[in-house]
Amino acid sequence: QVKLQQSGAELVKPGASVKLSCKTSGYTFSTSYMSWFKQIPGQSIEWIGMIYAGDGGTGYNQKFKGKATLTVDTSSSTAYMDLSSLTTEDSAVYFCARDTMAYWGQGVMVTVSS
Amino acid sequence: DIVMTQAPLSVSVTPGESASISCRSSKSLLHSNGITYVYWYLQKPGKSPQLLIYRMSNLASGVPDRFSGSGSETDFTLKISRVEAEDVGIYYCGQLLENPWTFGGGTKLELK
Repeated sequence: QVKLQQSGAELVKPGASVKLSCKTSGYTFSTSYMSWFKQIPGQSIEWIGMIYAGDGGTGYNQKFKGKATLTVDTSSSTAYMDLSSLTTEDSAVYFCARDTMAYWGQGVMVTVSS
Repeated sequence: DIVMTQAPLSVSVTPGESASISCRSSKSLLHSNGITYVYWYLQKPGKSPQLLIYRMSNLASGVPDRFSGSGSETDFTLKISRVEAEDVGIYYCGQLLENPWTFGGGTKLELK
């Protein structure tokens, strides 16, 4: 069955970067899209952007340009999201989701704190 | 950006009764291809969102047929018939017509 397994919780210092992973199985990764989302606990969902695994083509929410960078490794069927220059406002749960979000990762909590 | 506005903020329902959640978009979500790009998700406590309805009225795989979606170009409704305990959580509508994809603020469903 389709699985999206995200990496573990992160505690990072302000100004640092973090790379989140989303390892997939159970479907053809290279012909699918992967989106990433941000959710501050108690708030709604924000779409960060998406990447087509076939050619690495990306589309970003303007709000997250310069903050998030999406990449894929088709050899391991894994999607990645780099978050840079982290501030406390980046503290949130981040989800990956396939295509039109029929399948989601379990989410990963990123805490930015000194 | 397209703004998605949900109502009510919360709804309390007796098990076995029905519930309806409304969602309004600031712009038509009807594409020229005839598809209306509104989606509904349920996020149960402590879990990832799960897809319920896609393209306004299509039931996602594995979702009970107690759930249904309807609407026009800018006004949408999610109806839950015969509410069960497993339906508790926060419901979100979202639009996938334009970048950026945007979501409503959520409607919390509780049991009486």
